[in-house]
Amino acid sequence: DAKTTQPTSMDCAEGRAANLPCNHSTISGNEYVYWYRQIHSQGPQYIIHGLKNNETNEMASLIITEDRKSSTLILPHATLRDTAVYYCIVRANFGNEKLTFGTGTRLTIIP
Amino acid sequence: NAGVMQNPRHLVRRRGQEARLRCSPMKGHSHVYWYRQLPEEGLKFMVYLQKENIIDESGMPKERFSAEFPKEGPSILRIQQVVRGDSAAYFCASSPDRNAYEQYFGPGTRLTVT
Repeated sequence: DAKTTQPTSMDCAEGRAANLPCNHSTISGNEYVYWYRQIHSQGPQYIIHGLKNNETNEMASLIITEDRKSSTLILPHATLRDTAVYYCIVRANFGNEKLTFGTGTRLTIIP
Repeated sequence: NAGVMQNPRHLVRRRGQEARLRCSPMKGHSHVYWYRQLPEEGLKFMVYLQKENIIDESGMPKERFSAEFPKEGPSILRIQQVVRGDSAAYFCASSPDRNAYEQYFGPGTRLTVT
């Protein structure tokens, strides 16, 4: 799986949009970008994934650059409950490949 | 539909004892993954199982660790002769089939070896 690079930590004011970047410059054509988060020692939670088009669901939006070498996860209106470690993962979507977690970004929402 | 269940949630073992961690996947899910999270570290894949089969155990330590997912009952991660370095949070995840994009994680079992 391609390697990802994320900032170690970020702060965001409550109610503002949180934009979390991820670099994955060695991504292959058949690899998807996944985002998971882990809220204080709980089990990780799936957020969103995409291949090359931008994606949106009830939790977040995922913006993938045209060359697919980087992406941004957007939480449109961050709340205190969004404080968590966010993991950007690149994964082939055939079979049922394991998830390779990096160190992630620790996002703190400031009241 | 109940989520992934793990028990016990907390487990304390003395060095040299055995630890058994259980994972009941979501209803209808036949694929189970185990991950380990050492203190202040990210999650690391250990093993991927389908019913009665180990598909990928590339992340399992060579000794003392084993996993099974029988036809009936939960998946079991077994650690024999535990050492202090085994202290960690162990998470299992499940998915319904090989093409599913999402893995659903349980709350984890926190193992402490004294």
